[in-house]
Amino acid sequence: EAGVTQFPSHSVIEKGQTVTLRCDPISGHDNLYWYRRVMGKEIKFLLHFVKESKQDESGMPNNRFLAERTGGTYSTLKVQPAELEDSGVYFCASNQVLGTEAFFGQGTRLTVV
Amino acid sequence: GQQVMQIPQYQHVQEGEDFTTYCNSSTTLSNIQWYKQRPGGHPVFLIQLVKSGEVKKQKRLTFQFGEAKKNSSLHITATQTTDVGTYFCAGRGGATNKLIFGTGTLLAVQP
Repeated sequence: EAGVTQFPSHSVIEKGQTVTLRCDPISGHDNLYWYRRVMGKEIKFLLHFVKESKQDESGMPNNRFLAERTGGTYSTLKVQPAELEDSGVYFCASNQVLGTEAFFGQGTRLTVV
Repeated sequence: GQQVMQIPQYQHVQEGEDFTTYCNSSTTLSNIQWYKQRPGGHPVFLIQLVKSGEVKKQKRLTFQFGEAKKNSSLHITATQTTDVGTYFCAGRGGATNKLIFGTGTLLAVQP
């Protein structure tokens, strides 16, 4: 069974540009989460989808970040326009049952220069 | 908002020594999970604790959930170089379903 996959693994963009990160959760997992780890600090929650609905987006830093999960399968996280402080590793995770083990993807390392 | 702190931030041990990381939440948790992230890797689930005072063991790892369900600890006996990585606790509590990660403890093991 394929795990959570994220694309791209790395992205280097200039300040002001747009970047779109993609996450394919484990098939059948209704819950999909986005997290971000900045500069080796804690892993911060961004948002939680249940199928195609945003259950909790309280961690989204500002309106430059837009997450979608059309059709309740894969999800995208768009940053537009990117700022220097957006640099970090963006993790996606999924699980079938809330409160159980979350399976993480390998992450996308975003560098904004 | 809910905060989950871990201490220490960093621990350097000699192979064979024991290691403990402590996790403290500002609010009562419904459950707590522990994850390990190897350098350059992604968080990997280790265990979940649900009951007050619960203790679980996985080989050399011992996990404990506090009586008040606001703190937890992970103890590694006789560390090995394969134990290197960052250990995160992650708690779920209150009215929220989101998993709040602790600040993490980076463990370095010298052979």
